[in-house]
Amino acid sequence: GQQLNQSPQSMFIQEGEDVSMNCTSSSIFNTWLWYKQDPGEGPVLLIALYKAGELTSNGRLTAQFGITRKDSFLNISASIPSDVGIYFCAGQRSNEKLTFGTGTRLTIIP
Amino acid sequence: NAGVTQTPKFQVLKTGQSMTLQCAQDMNHNSMYWYRQDPGMGLRLIYYSASEGTTDKGEVPNGYNVSRLNKREFSLRLESAAPSQTSVYFCASSDFQDSTEAFFGQGTRLTVV
Repeated sequence: GQQLNQSPQSMFIQEGEDVSMNCTSSSIFNTWLWYKQDPGEGPVLLIALYKAGELTSNGRLTAQFGITRKDSFLNISASIPSDVGIYFCAGQRSNEKLTFGTGTRLTIIP
Repeated sequence: NAGVTQTPKFQVLKTGQSMTLQCAQDMNHNSMYWYRQDPGMGLRLIYYSASEGTTDKGEVPNGYNVSRLNKREFSLRLESAAPSQTSVYFCASSDFQDSTEAFFGQGTRLTVV
């Protein structure tokens, strides 16, 4: 099955810094989702995007559905310690199941 | 509201042993899913059930079987565990057949030795 290319694989940042990560595919998707996984927990949905070019915010998080429909971006502003975790993108084509990216592991350096 | 509940949380099996992972959701969702998560591989779909009474293979079904016992419960069975099945298993449910906005359980960490 197809995997989405997510980058970077890991990030080490200081508290207060902004974070950017992205997800790309060779195929077009109709829906892009961003999930966060805390250690020892299951993924939790952060943001859902349904239209090319759509820009959606959830507090300090902002995600965009790329206009080519082959990519998506997630930004976190002014990072705080609870932002630590693994961030997954997921894409969906019509009548198909979700395809997940390989994840971006975010670590905050004290 | 418990959401999606998986049992057990941890399990160690010997090669060749069998076991069943249990999953239950209390959100009245029609669709349920089993994923496995391996380092650097993201989440891969094993099996899913679009509605009560139906099950279908996902991306990596070999070595697994599933049962949609009723609308609430969806179990995953390993008939003869292999070390390659060492992984973290997640159950999920959604209100939509296409799995958008799925809600996940806390996971089962399985080690096969």
